[in-house]
Amino acid sequence: SQKIEQNSEALNIQEGKTATLTCNYTNYSPAYLQWYRQDPGRGPVFLLLIRENEKEKRKERLKVTFDTTLKQSLFHITASQPADSATYLCALPSASKIIFGSGTRLSIRP
Amino acid sequence: SQTIHQWPATLVQPVGSPLSLECTVEGTSNPNLYWYRQAAGRGLQLLFYSVGIGQISSEVPQNLSASRPQDRQFILSSKKLLLSDSGFYLCAGHKTGWQETQYFGPGTRLLVL
Repeated sequence: SQKIEQNSEALNIQEGKTATLTCNYTNYSPAYLQWYRQDPGRGPVFLLLIRENEKEKRKERLKVTFDTTLKQSLFHITASQPADSATYLCALPSASKIIFGSGTRLSIRP
Repeated sequence: SQTIHQWPATLVQPVGSPLSLECTVEGTSNPNLYWYRQAAGRGLQLLFYSVGIGQISSEVPQNLSASRPQDRQFILSSKKLLLSDSGFYLCAGHKTGWQETQYFGPGTRLLVL
């Protein structure tokens, strides 16, 4: 079955720097991959979707890449701000379900 | 737009008591619906999903059950809660045409004592 690994449980970044989070998956390449943001005590909120035929997707300060050869997606936040502090989850489809990675907790220090 | 409603926000229950958490969907019809549990600081564990009325798939054998009596209603239940049932329960909906996005409810924090 498909498995997702997010590179680290926690990441500490200085404000203004670029944060880079990694998501690796096993087995088959999915038709798309998603990234979500989760704040403490709240449900995850959808951020970006990238399809298998897309190499890169951007939304404001967010950039996602998708390398189906490496079976990896990178999630970048440029010019990071303390308000970007949250847990970020990657997710991909598997049959009728969407499965999630365990998340990376990002902290942006002023 | 589609919205996932969940209640209550917080629940404290004694061991051995029953549980019923309700999730309702507003703004669309025939979505796939999901129940997840999240332990503190951990990822999302898929418990059940449903592709239609009366159709339930269980991902993890455990003390819980789910039902979908109506298209926009998804219920998570237990006859007797265990301490290990404590956690943050999230209902989510997914439908083609939502740009493949899962929309989540606000969650229910359950504490079993």
